[in-house]
Amino acid sequence: DSGVTQTPKHLITATGQRVTLRCSPRSGDLSVYWYQQSLDQGLQFLIQYYNGEERAKGNILERFSAQQFPDLHSELNLSSLELGDSALYFCASSVATGGGSGTEAFFGQGTRLTVV
Amino acid sequence: AQKVTQAQTEISVVEKEDVTLDCVYETRDTTYYLFWYKQPPSGELVFLIRRNSFDEQNEISGRYSWNFQKSTSSFNFTITASQVVDSAVYFCALRPNAGNMLTFGGGTRLMVKP
Repeated sequence: DSGVTQTPKHLITATGQRVTLRCSPRSGDLSVYWYQQSLDQGLQFLIQYYNGEERAKGNILERFSAQQFPDLHSELNLSSLELGDSALYFCASSVATGGGSGTEAFFGQGTRLTVV
Repeated sequence: AQKVTQAQTEISVVEKEDVTLDCVYETRDTTYYLFWYKQPPSGELVFLIRRNSFDEQNEISGRYSWNFQKSTSSFNFTITASQVVDSAVYFCALRPNAGNMLTFGGGTRLMVKP
């Protein structure tokens, strides 16, 4: 158990809908990262938050947004869902923000999103 | 731009065989970090090892060992005496010193048959 908690584990929704994925980082971790794992794109970095502020952005679509709350949990919002958004969405956390600290990121079990 | 290549998409071995998973990376950074993660059938990503670019010592942890060769930009992972429980997808990843995101390889699916 990595200590990172993601809910829900599975989500099935229709095209055009909006969903929210939730992540609770490991105790003491200030950084939260979101990754998407799909069959065609592999594992891709979406976005990172550190202590409530956005720190880095990757290949995140404009239809997707995220935030980190004062209690450090994070939510990833996916809207106007398309079939191609079906994927496993991972949250990871680490103590620091990076920049040389070299701290590893610990991943949650993922939320499997199926858009039908 | 950074890139990680895992040329072996799938490997099948019989239990107790040794197996090496290859990882080749590209980066312009002089300082960077390399990682291996395991994704068992249950789906979670399990951290295995982190190595920084200044530490080229090989590492051994039980049946697992890692060979980092900066000269060839490779960070290979060997499982000795493989077991059925080692069956999983293994990902190699690269992280720059000044950034935070991991760039993953495409993964290698390892199947260990009894």
